This record gives sequence, structure tokens and C-alpha cells, in this order.
Amino acid sequence: QVQLQESGPGLVKPSQTLSLTCTVSGGSISSGGYYWSWIRQHPGKGLEWIGYIYYSGSTYYNPSLKSRVTISVDTSKNQFSLKLSSVTAADTAVYYCARVRGLRGYFDYWGQGTLVTVSS
Amino acid sequence: DIVMTQTPLSLSVTPGQPASISCKSSQSLLHSDGKTYLYWYLQKPGQSPQLLIYEVSSRFSGVPDRFSGSGSGTDFTLKISRVEAEDVGVYYCMQGIHLLRTFGQGTKVEIK
Repeated sequence: QVQLQESGPGLVKPSQTLSLTCTVSGGSISSGGYYWSWIRQHPGKGLEWIGYIYYSGSTYYNPSLKSRVTISVDTSKNQFSLKLSSVTAADTAVYYCARVRGLRGYFDYWGQGTLVTVSS
Repeated sequence: DIVMTQTPLSLSVTPGQPASISCKSSQSLLHSDGKTYLYWYLQKPGQSPQLLIYEVSSRFSGVPDRFSGSGSGTDFTLKISRVEAEDVGVYYCMQGIHLLRTFGQGTKVEIK
């Protein structure tokens, strides 16, 4: 059973960089055919896709966040990471990592989510 | 961007009764490969979203058969044949045809 676990600071100051890591267990991040994604959910709101990465390092980002987002992968640690720069209060959200079955496929396994609050 | 519009935004259902949620996309979700990339998720209170239906009508592993999906092109429907207490939460549709993934606003289902 594949499991994903987000980790990182729960509080980030405005203008700083939000950094989160997703650790994958029960399966290899280098398995072909799967992409690895970040999604966020503002408090009490719907879901917003941030972007995803393939184990080779190929990335696709939401254009609305593209100038501030970097997703990277560390296959040796079976982890992938999210960096979001120049954060504001509008970036306060629960951040989820998820596995994607194919470039257009479904998100089948999700982490439990981690709340990141942007505040001074 | 493909806009996904769900109706209704909330639903109160008596246990044992059916429920239906509509999802309309601003563009066709039928790909040239013949697949239609429409998915349904349920986010139970305090939990991560969980996949219910993929490619319009295929139930994901472990999903009860009271859940069914239908539709084509731009119009899709999720039906619950007999709602149970454990079905409460927010239901989302999501498109996968465009690499910029987008979700519907969500439909909150509660039990009367």
C-alpha cells in the first residue's frame, strides 16, 4: 500500500519561501507511469492544483503560480518537494501531496495534508 | 483553463434515498485517445479527498457499487443509489484532459 506523508513548517512569514517535502513509502517514486503532485486547499474552500513532477524531473505547473513554484524530486530518498516563494496570507492553506496515475490520470493516493499558515 | 461547474452546491438527503450531482465542463473532456478524463472525489470531514470514479464511470478499487458515474463530452453525473451516513462530505469533479488540472467547486452532502 502506497503512503504519502507531507512534512515541513506549519508557519511561514510573509515574503519568505514555503518549503514542504512529501515522503513516499510502499512504492518507488521512480516507478514509471506515475507523476507526483501538489494540491492545496484554502481554509473552507475547494481544491487547487499546484503542479506535478515525474521521477525524471519533468515538471508541469499551474500558470497562476508558475513564477513562484518549484517542485523537485529526490529519488534516492523517495521524496519530492514543493517550494513556493514570496508567500502572502493568500497562500495559507492545507497542502496535499498525491500520486498521479499517468499525465492525465487520477490522483489515487493522497497524503493527510499539512496546514501552512502565512503570518508574521 | 477548463472551468468545472457543479450543481447543486449542497444537498441534504434522507438515508436510503438517492442523490445526484451534476458536473459540467467548459470544454469537452473527450481526448483523441478515446478516453474521457473526468473523475469524482469525496472528501470526508477532516480527511484527504478519496477517488470514487475515474474516466466517467469506472469505480475505483473498494468503492461501493451504490456509487455510479455517467455522462459524456461536457456533462457528467455522479449518482448515489442509496445514501448512507458514511457518504457525508464534499464531492468534487475534476478534469484530466488539460494538464492544468481543475476541480469543481464541490457539493456538500449531508444527512437529514
